[in-house]
Amino acid sequence: DGGITQSPKYLFRKEGQNVTLSCEQNLNHDAMYWYRQDPGQGLRLIYYSQIVNDFQKGDIAEGYSVSREKKESFPLTVTSAQKNPTAFYLCASSTQTSWGSQYFGPGTRLLVL
Amino acid sequence: GQQLNQSPQSMFIQEGEDVSMNCTSSSIFNTWLWYKQDPGEGPVLLIALYKAGELTSNGRLTAQFGITRKDSFLNISASIPSDVGIYFCAGPKDNYGQNFVFGPGTRLSVLP
Repeated sequence: DGGITQSPKYLFRKEGQNVTLSCEQNLNHDAMYWYRQDPGQGLRLIYYSQIVNDFQKGDIAEGYSVSREKKESFPLTVTSAQKNPTAFYLCASSTQTSWGSQYFGPGTRLLVL
Repeated sequence: GQQLNQSPQSMFIQEGEDVSMNCTSSSIFNTWLWYKQDPGEGPVLLIALYKAGELTSNGRLTAQFGITRKDSFLNISASIPSDVGIYFCAGPKDNYGQNFVFGPGTRLSVLP
């Protein structure tokens, strides 16, 4: 079945450590996105990529980094520079002709201790 | 920047009741999207609206693109327990429509 996978579902890290969240899609979508969700809030865009080897900062990119070496993959690294990394992270993808119809993965809940 | 407001923030209804919620923007949008998020999962697109005044249905869900282009409404008829979740509206951040801003969500609880 086509879809987006994020792994792991839950992730625990010590403060000061970098951590990389995985996102893979087999929908043949060109665009991919990373959002952060905090309790009681909407989704906030971290980074997005419209094509391979290109990505743009979203609203809250500080303390995060991404890469887009393959069309199917868009990993997100949460660095030690991110002051409050504990959150629910969602990856999404869409076609170029329908940016708004984003397909979301199941999310990764990151807890930094 | 663009902001979306949703009301109500949360609501508790009895199974079988109809539900109405809305989303307002500080600026004009040319697209409105409604997503639903089940607990612990990613959001799923319910309805997309592309034209002012447009009324679109998806099963028991009906959404409208406000004539002012600064608001949108979502109605759910004859609610059932699986309607529980958070409903988000979203609109394009810019004229290119390449990324979107999301509202804070309306949390719906359905009582049996």
